[in-house]
Amino acid sequence: DGGITQSPKYLFRKEGQNVTLSCEQNLNHDAMYWYRQDPGQGLRLIYYSQIVNDFQKGDIAEGYSVSREKKESFPLTVTSAQKNPTAFYLCASSIGFTGGSGANVLTFGAGSRLTVL
Amino acid sequence: AQSVAQPEDQVNVAEGNPLTVKCTYSVSGNPYLFWYVQYPNRGLQFLLKYITGDNLVKGSYGFEAEFNKSQTSFHLKKPSALVSDSALYFCAVRDRRDYGGATNKLIFGTGTLLAVQP
Repeated sequence: DGGITQSPKYLFRKEGQNVTLSCEQNLNHDAMYWYRQDPGQGLRLIYYSQIVNDFQKGDIAEGYSVSREKKESFPLTVTSAQKNPTAFYLCASSIGFTGGSGANVLTFGAGSRLTVL
Repeated sequence: AQSVAQPEDQVNVAEGNPLTVKCTYSVSGNPYLFWYVQYPNRGLQFLLKYITGDNLVKGSYGFEAEFNKSQTSFHLKKPSALVSDSALYFCAVRDRRDYGGATNKLIFGTGTLLAVQP
């Protein structure tokens, strides 16, 4: 079955440590996204990638980094510079970035919950 | 800037009754609007979208949404609620580039928790 796999599902981190969240998709989608979800704030875009070897900052990129070396993979690193990293992180993908006359639907992974101790 | 608002943090409804989850939008140009549902500790699942055409859009699991341009609203509805519909519902609008072109970046509302009582 096609889909998006995020790992780990739960992650605990000590302050000052970097952690990397994995996101893999087998949908052959060009575009991938990372969102952060906090209670009462909805989803906020961290980074997105339209195509391999390209990525752009979203609305809350500070303290995060990404790479897009392969079409299927879009890992997110939460660095020690992120002041409040405890959150639920969601990876998503879409067929393309600009849908033309249509609008492409985002497919989401099951999420990774990061807790800083 | 594009935005959506979900004015209700929570909606309570009895099983079998009709439900409405409200969403209003503010966009430049024609809106591309979406509804997603999230079950506890899971990712979001697509329910339906409005691009153009009929103002009443039908989606998954018996949900539908009514696009109202004059009221800038896109409310989610279902004629008869089920306990299994209890979840967090998000309205979203497609973002646009500075020069006006569309993107697939979605701007989400804050979510509405739907609680259906048996």
